Amino acid sequence: QVQLVESGGGVVQPGRSLRLSCVASGFTFSDYSMHWVRQAAGKGLDWVAVISYHGMNKYYADSVKGRFTISRDNSENTLYLQMNSLKGEDTGVYYCARGPSADYWGQGTLITVSS
Amino acid sequence: DIVMTQTPLSSPVTLGQPASISCRSTQSLVHSDGHTYLTWLQQRPGQPPRVLIYEISNRLSGVPDRFSGSGAGTEFTLKISRVEAEDVGVYYCMQAKQIPHTFGGGTTVEIK
Repeated sequence: QVQLVESGGGVVQPGRSLRLSCVASGFTFSDYSMHWVRQAAGKGLDWVAVISYHGMNKYYADSVKGRFTISRDNSENTLYLQMNSLKGEDTGVYYCARGPSADYWGQGTLITVSS
Repeated sequence: DIVMTQTPLSSPVTLGQPASISCRSTQSLVHSDGHTYLTWLQQRPGQPPRVLIYEISNRLSGVPDRFSGSGAGTEFTLKISRVEAEDVGVYYCMQAKQIPHTFGGGTTVEIK
């Protein structure tokens, strides 16, 4: 069955960096675009970024453009999110989801940006 | 950006009774590839989101058939034919037609 497992979350100071990973299984990873979506505590869902199946096309929410980079390694069935210059408002649970419809989601990994 | 508006904000429902959630988009969600990328998600308390319906009306494997999706263009509906206790949570619609992908604000389904 389709499984997405995120990791890499933790507590980080403002201005620092963090890299998230999402390992996929149960489907042909290289056939699908992939998303990152986040959720602050008690809030709604906030789309962050998407990458095409081959990794050539990447798109970002304005709130993270220039700070976050989405990438993938199809040989390792892994999606990444490199987050630089982190801010307090980046705090939340980050989910990866399978595109294009975001039909399967992982369990999420919590990022806390705090001094 | 496409704005997704859900109504109602909250839906108190009696067990065994139906519930309906509406989602309206500011633009048509029909993609140039012919698909309409409208997804419905459920988030139970303390749980990650789970997709119920994708592309308007396709139920994901394992989703009970009391959940159904309908609509076209800019108007979409999620219906629960007979609400069960496990259906309590927040429901979101999401469009994946255009970047940035956007979500509705959520509808809380609760038991009366």
